[in-house]
Amino acid sequence: DAKTTQPNSMESNEEEPVHLPCNHSTISGTDYIHWYRQLPSQGPEYVIHGLTSNVNNRMASLAIAEDRKSSTLILHRATLRDAAVYYCILRGGATNKLIFGTGTLLAVQP
Amino acid sequence: GAVVSQHPSRVICKSGTSVKIECRSLDFQATTMFWYRQFPKQSLMLMATSNEGSKATYEQGVEKDKFLINHASLTLSTLTVTSAHPEDSSFYICSARVILWGQGKETQYFGPGTRLLVL
Repeated sequence: DAKTTQPNSMESNEEEPVHLPCNHSTISGTDYIHWYRQLPSQGPEYVIHGLTSNVNNRMASLAIAEDRKSSTLILHRATLRDAAVYYCILRGGATNKLIFGTGTLLAVQP
Repeated sequence: GAVVSQHPSRVICKSGTSVKIECRSLDFQATTMFWYRQFPKQSLMLMATSNEGSKATYEQGVEKDKFLINHASLTLSTLTVTSAHPEDSSFYICSARVILWGQGKETQYFGPGTRLLVL
């Protein structure tokens, strides 16, 4: 399974945009890029995913580099409820499995 | 979005007993569900893939005789921790595979997790 690299932690101020980076230099052509987040003592929550093109939904935007070796999850206006561990995961086209890495712990300051 | 529930949310049991955890897809059918385990301050570890009507596929290092998985219907998968011991204490999370029809995409929706404490 192709691996991802994320910073261990990041800080943001409330109401400001947050850019969470993810490197996946060994990504294959059929790997989808998934983002989930997990609040303490809860199951992960789906955020967004994409293959090649940038994606937007009501929660966030996903910017995928042209060579697909990196991606950025963008929270347009951080709120205190966005404080969580954010996981960037590659899902292979041939498998349904999600293999979680260590993720980025996002702290949001009021 | 799709909702996945788990029951119980937390359970305390004595060492040597068996514990069953249920995972249900509430408003959709899930032919494939997954079971994860998460220890404190660690990431989720995939234990097994559960397919409706067939045997589960276990990840390397996960004992299939200890963690029994049954996926008897399109909305229910169960994980039974047999002869539980204190080292089995963990946060167990299930997920269901969801295909986003019309978008050519699929993803997973997760349950809220079950906290198991074995005394």
